[in-house]
Amino acid sequence: SAVISQKPSRDICQRGTSLTIQCQVDSQVTMMFWYRQQPGQSLTLIATANQGSEATYESGFVIDKFPISRPNLTFSTLTVSNMSPEDSSIYLCSAIDYRVEGYTFGSGTRLTVV
Amino acid sequence: AQSVSQHNHHVILSEAASLELGCNYSYGGTVNLFWYVQYPGQHLQLLLKYFSGDPLVKGIKGFEAEFIKSKFSFNLRKPSVQWSDTAEYFCAVGGNNRLAFGKGNQVVVIP
Repeated sequence: SAVISQKPSRDICQRGTSLTIQCQVDSQVTMMFWYRQQPGQSLTLIATANQGSEATYESGFVIDKFPISRPNLTFSTLTVSNMSPEDSSIYLCSAIDYRVEGYTFGSGTRLTVV
Repeated sequence: AQSVSQHNHHVILSEAASLELGCNYSYGGTVNLFWYVQYPGQHLQLLLKYFSGDPLVKGIKGFEAEFIKSKFSFNLRKPSVQWSDTAEYFCAVGGNNRLAFGKGNQVVVIP
């Protein structure tokens, strides 16, 4: 199956700053996804990122807060902008892996905003 | 949009006990159903999936799940758990190129 490398694995950030999370896939994938997992909660889809087009955001998430780049078929970034403590979460990237007919996930970025 | 319900968020059991985790979903279209497992400190891994065909699906590490369409359920089972099955288990429903997750079951197996 595809392997997704995500970094950083964790970070502690000051409120008001921004953090960019990188996601690298070892094979070309059409669709990549960004999820948030808040403490004690399920994974919530933030947006879908397709190469060559703007990301599609889910209800409750906006581009100004979570800008996403998808410059090619193996890479994507998610920026968490103007952070507040409420943004403290685990952020995961994912991709559809047709070889296993499922979704593959990165190892996640544990973000703490102080 | 699809939604997923998982009950009994925390499950504690002894080795060799049987495990069953419930998953109910709602979605109006054709669903693809998944169970993912996240071992401590590791990333999400696909345990098993159902797309069509035999509703009893066998996955890795002795896990199986049964799709019951009339009940909108996709329950996960393992007849005899091991300490190494300690993990968080997520049921997910795929449709329209998006995946919706349940809240997960934190399973702790006591040696």
